[in-house]
Amino acid sequence: GAGVSQSPSNKVTEKGKDVELRCDPISGHTALYWYRQSLGQGLEFLIYFQGNSAPDKSGLPSDRFSAERTGGSVSTLTIQRTQQEDSAVYLCASSLRGIVGEEQYFGPGTRLTVT
Amino acid sequence: AQKVTQAQTEISVVEKEDVTLDCVYETRDTTYYLFWYKQPPSGELVFLIRRNSFDEQNEISGRYSWNFQKSTSSFNFTITASQVVDSAVYFCALSEAENTDKLIFGTGTRLQVFP
Repeated sequence: GAGVSQSPSNKVTEKGKDVELRCDPISGHTALYWYRQSLGQGLEFLIYFQGNSAPDKSGLPSDRFSAERTGGSVSTLTIQRTQQEDSAVYLCASSLRGIVGEEQYFGPGTRLTVT
Repeated sequence: AQKVTQAQTEISVVEKEDVTLDCVYETRDTTYYLFWYKQPPSGELVFLIRRNSFDEQNEISGRYSWNFQKSTSSFNFTITASQVVDSAVYFCALSEAENTDKLIFGTGTRLQVFP
């Protein structure tokens, strides 16, 4: 079956602009996660959804970052007023039930470059 | 506090050599899970293995083997008879029962296997 998909694969934006990154999880997976991979910070957790709710947003670095999930499926990560330090690869993952220890399946990522 | 340390930033070997990737973790939780993921040049994270904190049995899968030792808080990964296709960045990760199921990643070890 289809894996986790993300769009766009690459995004170049000017500093100060808003961007939206999209994630399509594996069909039937109730849990969805956003991570960020950057040279300085490695791979870091951003936010976790169970259904449409986000019980853990502890990794969002500032209030410029927000995310939503609708219909228990697609999720959008929005970064407002982008800064150069937001440049990174944003990875989305999903898991079947979102229980601890469950395998997370990752998408190919969106590479964001803020100029 | 939870933490995963991969002290080896980069390892280079020649094909057919054995190589061990080290992973040391810190957690206060008694129930936790450890993972290894592979990130080939294409960028997508690929799940390799999961162990829970109550199962210290070592595991072998083909040329891959994992050694989990709670006494030293380590979960090391060995590739036997390495091949060029093993070239990738390998991440060790931790998830804790008390901390949703987000993954806490180490900084990764880049493995280069030369022919």
